[in-house]
Amino acid sequence: DGGITQSPKYLFRKEGQNVTLSCEQNLNHDAMYWYRQDPGQGLRLIYYSQIVNDFQKGDIAEGYSVSREKKESFPLTVTSAQKNPTAFYLCASSRDRAVAKNIQYFGAGTRLSVL
Amino acid sequence: AQKVTQAQTEISVVEKEDVTLDCVYETRDTTYYLFWYKQPPSGELVFLIRRNSFDEQNEISGRYSWNFQKSTSSFNFTITASQVVDSAVYFCALSGTASGGSYIPTFGRGTSLIVHP
Repeated sequence: DGGITQSPKYLFRKEGQNVTLSCEQNLNHDAMYWYRQDPGQGLRLIYYSQIVNDFQKGDIAEGYSVSREKKESFPLTVTSAQKNPTAFYLCASSRDRAVAKNIQYFGAGTRLSVL
Repeated sequence: AQKVTQAQTEISVVEKEDVTLDCVYETRDTTYYLFWYKQPPSGELVFLIRRNSFDEQNEISGRYSWNFQKSTSSFNFTITASQVVDSAVYFCALSGTASGGSYIPTFGRGTSLIVHP
């Protein structure tokens, strides 16, 4: 079964701690994305990557970091600099790079809370 | 800049009622794509439909239909004879073809649909 796997489903962060959210896809897609979802806010783009070893900041990148060392993996680190990390985080992928008609495929999300 | 407005934050209906979810967009691109996604309580967004800016034909898929009108910059989604399983958050999205990253979709804030039995 092809798809996107996000883990863990729930994550708790202590103050001052960095945490990493995992995103793996076996769809052989070039592009991957991270979104943050807050109640009533829709989806806001954190980072995206069109190709291995390259990624771009989205609208709300401050306090987050990513890497794209493998085509199938795009982990997101929420650093201690992100002062309000409590949210639902969604990872997505799309088949082609830089193409407007791309359909996005989403994972089931990670819900991050602060202890 | 692209913008998608879903003015309805939450809609509550009783099963078997018809319901229309509104989506209004803004873009300077002449070629663009519009999408609808469904987010059930499980959290994973699921693709429903894609339309390009040159195709204004309405589309029907079972109980779902979409009305694309360039003249009013709208791409509305109607569910006929709603069912409890339709309860979800629905997102409208827009992506463009101009330079500057407009190919990354811009999402609306979503409309939460609650269908009561």
